[in-house]
Amino acid sequence: SQQGEEDPQALSIQEGENATMNCSYKTSINNLQWYRQNSGRGLVHLILIRSNEREKHSGRLRVTLDTSKKSSSLLITASRAADTASYFCATDARGYSTLTFGKGTMLLVSP
Amino acid sequence: DSGVTQTPKHLITATGQRVTLRCSPRSGDLSVYWYQQSLDQGLQFLIQYYNGEERAKGNILERFSAQQFPDLHSELNLSSLELGDSALYFCASSPQDRGGLVGAGELFFGEGSRLTVL
Repeated sequence: SQQGEEDPQALSIQEGENATMNCSYKTSINNLQWYRQNSGRGLVHLILIRSNEREKHSGRLRVTLDTSKKSSSLLITASRAADTASYFCATDARGYSTLTFGKGTMLLVSP
Repeated sequence: DSGVTQTPKHLITATGQRVTLRCSPRSGDLSVYWYQQSLDQGLQFLIQYYNGEERAKGNILERFSAQQFPDLHSELNLSSLELGDSALYFCASSPQDRGGLVGAGELFFGEGSRLTVL
């Protein structure tokens, strides 16, 4: 079964707008990661946030983690058409070193 | 380019057949993971190998098997194929098995092998 669940399933915005995707998970985790997948291609790692961190930034990406609510959010600021892709959160349940992925949020950024 | 190579990129076969998917991890990476991605099930973890040994098992069917060779490349064998096995199969690698206390690090994914079973 999926450990993480992303919300929304799909998001359509205009270039320049911000995109926010949310992820909820079920069990205690070591780390939470976000990945990006262009249509039918391999997944690319975006950012990793540890369970003792609350917020992390990387370029136009901002990730937050609330372990009390078992949730995370990914914010992409000033979106570009090239950001069009599916975004997945992935968690590793405490005691394990394998990643479990959610079903992803499909982001469409229109020029 | 992640440095992870998967072959073949596309494969079309018939029900009941057997196929082998191959993965070469990034240079120096000891851990290899196999995932299956389908529209209905999403991305499902199948199995992990570390330096030739099976380290973790996920939702892998008994008809599927995998191994990691001394040169660290890995193969996923799928047998008695069914229509529902049609999916994108990904291999990913990471430098090491960080263990359950530290958690998984970044995974580097190949471009996948798209399997179509007719």
